[in-house]
Amino acid sequence: KNEVEQSPQNLTAQEGEFITINCSYSVGISALHWLQQHPGGGIVSLFMLSSGKKKHGRLIATINIQEKHSSLHITASHPRDSAVYICAVKGAQKLVFGQGTRLTINP
Amino acid sequence: EPEVTQTPSHQVTQMGQEVILRCVPISNHLYFYWYRQILGQKVEFLVSFYNNEISEKSEIFDDQFSVERPDGSNFTLKIRSTKLEDSAMYFCASGLAGGGEQFFGPGTRLTVL
Repeated sequence: KNEVEQSPQNLTAQEGEFITINCSYSVGISALHWLQQHPGGGIVSLFMLSSGKKKHGRLIATINIQEKHSSLHITASHPRDSAVYICAVKGAQKLVFGQGTRLTINP
Repeated sequence: EPEVTQTPSHQVTQMGQEVILRCVPISNHLYFYWYRQILGQKVEFLVSFYNNEISEKSEIFDDQFSVERPDGSNFTLKIRSTKLEDSAMYFCASGLAGGGEQFFGPGTRLTVL
């Protein structure tokens, strides 16, 4: 069993839709990261959280430590949000990555 | 805004050759990392570096790999004798605190022929 599982693997939606990407993990963690990987390959850090909820613009990330689950939400999605979204968890030191969710927003 | 830079953006090499991938972390950061992503697969941790020594490494980071911070700004990953399966995107990252946010470079695509 993978330590970090994301769902769905692929998601296609229309512009304006509310998007939810889920991440479940099986190990104890000190923090969870949400990352965005652009089509060119570059990785951008979106959030790092260890409890509760964080919001940045149209992006919201939540985490439930007891259930070992996190969600990334995008409100009013836009074609420029199209990317791979990666969940990564941090145990003692290293980051363990999920396989990513490929999001495509159609105009 | 400060950013992590990596050079080269793409490196093509012959199997068995040595390669050095270079990274310039954000200047006041203290923690440095290398990750790799084989095409179509997930990102994998290679090594973390703090206070001029390796603090953690994965099983991938065998004797063929080494890291160095030769001066105050560069952080390098050396692969001594490249194999076909080393072909991947290699990302450098840096952070201010060990458990904190990490900032990723744009990556170096390594192709081993």
